[in-house]
Amino acid sequence: DAKTTQPNSMESNEEEPVHLPCNHSTISGTDYIHWYRQLPSQGPEYVIHGLTSNVNNRMASLAIAEDRKSSTLILHRATLRDAAVYYCILRLYNAGNMLTFGGGTRLMVKP
Amino acid sequence: SQTIHQWPATLVQPVGSPLSLECTVEGTSNPNLYWYRQAAGRGLQLLFYSVGIGQISSEVPQNLSASRPQDRQFILSSKKLLLSDSGFYLCAWSGGLAGGTDTQYFGPGTRLTVL
Repeated sequence: DAKTTQPNSMESNEEEPVHLPCNHSTISGTDYIHWYRQLPSQGPEYVIHGLTSNVNNRMASLAIAEDRKSSTLILHRATLRDAAVYYCILRLYNAGNMLTFGGGTRLMVKP
Repeated sequence: SQTIHQWPATLVQPVGSPLSLECTVEGTSNPNLYWYRQAAGRGLQLLFYSVGIGQISSEVPQNLSASRPQDRQFILSSKKLLLSDSGFYLCAWSGGLAGGTDTQYFGPGTRLTVL
């Protein structure tokens, strides 16, 4: 999988929106952008994925830059349960089904 | 709906002892299966993946092995544990979709401490 860059950590206040950035300047045209998160002492869970257009689901929104070199995961109202490590991962179109996890962003939510 | 089980949840083993961790998936057939390890404070490292019964691919050289004796069963083993084998072991499954859209679903994990 191509490389992504994320801040090591971010802080947010409860019930405020959170924007988690991810840079992927070497992304190719067929790479999908996936986000997973890992709550403390649990396995990662899928959050969202997209290719070119912005995506919304019940957990979050994914905003993808027009040149696709960056993306932002948006949590509309952070709760204490959203405190986790968030991973941005590029999935190559034809490179099999493995996930390569980087360091991710540790999100801390303050009450 | 699909569920993934792992056991045991925690395990403390002496150096040099054998290991067997089991993962089973319910509610789907012919899944892709994966074993990951996460050392304390570190990211996830893919150890093995399988696209079918008896088909195992290893991502890193180590003293661990994996087997898939049944379609929805994945086993991680070692003959002799090392201190460096300590960590959080996660099993995952996916539907094996092509084209970059495949999503993985993780189990609750096994926390292994080798003393």
